Amino acid sequence: GENVEQHPSTLSVQEGDSAVIKCTYSDSASNYFPWYKQELGKGPQLIIDIRSNVGEKKDQRIAVTLNKTAKHFSLHITETQPEDSAVYFCAPKSGGSYIPTFGRGTSLIVHP
Amino acid sequence: DTEVTQTPKHLVMGMTNKKSLKCEQHMGHRAMYWYKQKAKKPPELMFVYSYEKLSINESVPSRFSPECPNSSLLNLHLHALQPEDSALYLCASSQDQGLDYGYTFGSGTRLTVV
Repeated sequence: GENVEQHPSTLSVQEGDSAVIKCTYSDSASNYFPWYKQELGKGPQLIIDIRSNVGEKKDQRIAVTLNKTAKHFSLHITETQPEDSAVYFCAPKSGGSYIPTFGRGTSLIVHP
Repeated sequence: DTEVTQTPKHLVMGMTNKKSLKCEQHMGHRAMYWYKQKAKKPPELMFVYSYEKLSINESVPSRFSPECPNSSLLNLHLHALQPEDSALYLCASSQDQGLDYGYTFGSGTRLTVV
């Protein structure tokens, strides 16, 4: 099965700083790369995704970059705000499996 | 409607009780999922329904019994649970199990087994 590693496990930044979370996967057949945000007491929410034919995708303050050769993709958050504080999960989906594999999560803390 | 609705939000049950968790979506999604999430851990897949048929059972104990009455509803029947089954139970849906689209999750049911 897919082996997924997500780093760092905890990230503490000051409001206005940038944050980067990296996800490494093992299956070269993986072709769908989403990021989920889970706030306290809520279910995960899809915030951005990228497919294997695209290298970068942006949506306002968040972006995802994909390096298929190195088998990793990253979440970039610029101008962080306290409401960005949450746990973020990557969940790459292999072409051979219909089910995504979740990373262990990154707890992002944005200090006002 | 772009939501997955789960009820109840909280549930406390004894080890001899029988209870059910309910999940509903009206987005026309044809795949629905049950996940279990322990504190500070990622969601763990339990069951997948595709076009109202059970397609994946991740070796879940028989004290958990899923049911998909129609394309909008998903239930999880609970019986003779153990304290270690206490967790957040998440329901999710997606357009189709085989397509590359993200999941829409509900807010979950916080289950405590006493």
